[in-house]
Amino acid sequence: DTGVSQNPRHKITKRGQNVTFRCDPISEHNRLYWYRQTLGQGPEFLTYFQNEAQLEKSRLLSDRFSAERPKGSFSTLEIQRTEQGDSAMYLCASSLGPTTSTDTQYFGPGTRLTVL
Amino acid sequence: GENVEQHPSTLSVQEGDSAVIKCTYSDSASNYFPWYKQELGKRPQLIIDIRSNVGEKKDQRIAVTLNKTAKHFSLHITETQPEDSAVYFCAARRGLGKLQFGAGTQVVVTP
Repeated sequence: DTGVSQNPRHKITKRGQNVTFRCDPISEHNRLYWYRQTLGQGPEFLTYFQNEAQLEKSRLLSDRFSAERPKGSFSTLEIQRTEQGDSAMYLCASSLGPTTSTDTQYFGPGTRLTVL
Repeated sequence: GENVEQHPSTLSVQEGDSAVIKCTYSDSASNYFPWYKQELGKRPQLIIDIRSNVGEKKDQRIAVTLNKTAKHFSLHITETQPEDSAVYFCAARRGLGKLQFGAGTQVVVTP
């Protein structure tokens, strides 16, 4: 499968625990995005990377959230001290980068987080 | 920042009829407008997109129109089929980078 992949697909955790999700973008895609989607809503932007550089982070993003893309390939999203309000689908997307006219974003299947 | 509103939230159509979904955006500098289709339990998939230098784009049964002056764009699906049933999201982007999504439209095509 040459599309965006995410692991795990499902995660159930207890409030206060830390969780980490992984995203593997499409090969040679320079940009990687994280979004969060709750039931009945569209994806909400969290942060994005150009290679290993984190270019933008949502102002709504709590400091309990951190993302990395250390080698410019896969990325991890960590949530510390999870809260019930963190329960959502976490989507990753990748794109070729600014050299393309539309920079189409391709989404992964998501990681569904449930915080008990 | 950008704000995208999408209407209607649900749309029920008879198979073979047309479906129209409308979105408005707030940032006049937005220049790229994609539409994604998300089936239950699956990833959002791009179905069509349009840039601000184009007023209309068509791909088989799907078309998108853009009115920059009014800051709204619409998705048109003709000759709807049961497999068109899904949630459709519009989005807007200024320059390159993050997408701002609408809240989605649940389309149900009844045979």
